Amino acid sequence: AQTVTQSQPEMSVQEAETVTLSCTYDTSESDYYLFWYKQPPSRQMILVIRQEAYKQQNATENRFSVNFQKAAKSFSLKISDSQLGDAAMYFCAYRSGEKTSYDKVIFGPGTSLSVIP
Amino acid sequence: SQTIHQWPATLVQPVGSPLSLECTVEGTSNPNLYWYRQAAGRGLQLLFYSVGIGQISSEVPQNLSASRPQDRQFILSSKKLLLSDSGFYLCAGGRVGTEAFFGQGTRLTVV
Repeated sequence: AQTVTQSQPEMSVQEAETVTLSCTYDTSESDYYLFWYKQPPSRQMILVIRQEAYKQQNATENRFSVNFQKAAKSFSLKISDSQLGDAAMYFCAYRSGEKTSYDKVIFGPGTSLSVIP
Repeated sequence: SQTIHQWPATLVQPVGSPLSLECTVEGTSNPNLYWYRQAAGRGLQLLFYSVGIGQISSEVPQNLSASRPQDRQFILSSKKLLLSDSGFYLCAGGRVGTEAFFGQGTRLTVV
């Protein structure tokens, strides 16, 4: 079974600085997708960034980028120029790319990010 | 674009009462659908997922059940609520190989 681990329950960053959130996963599949979601105090889940496992190039979305290390099964999120609005829970998630009847989206336990003014 | 509608946003129910939370999807067909529960400050626990009409897989034995009567409709139910059923419930959906989109969630308090 697939698992997702986030080893940092809480992180903090100074406004305008850079922070990296860690995520590791375990799978025996070769085709899959990885995601980072942000959950602000409103508790709405917002997709931050996605990465297809078959793509070697790391995904980027404005100030957000990932370091995808497939062999190490690592998928970290880097937030540059941190802003107060980045304060939230961040969840790493895994989804199989294989069409089966057991499609699940598996989430890590989350990292709570605080941004210090 | 794909949208998940989930209601109600907040619900207070007495112990032993029934529950019905509904989730509908717009903007896509034949999505896979999910119900998650989230305790305060915690991660998402997958409760049920569905890959098609009438097809429900349960992840955790519990007091809840799910049904999918239509392609874009997913319902979470209980015949008799327990105090331990309190929590934040999220409906999500998405085609295979894409990201999951989420509804805005339902905060359920059982009193």
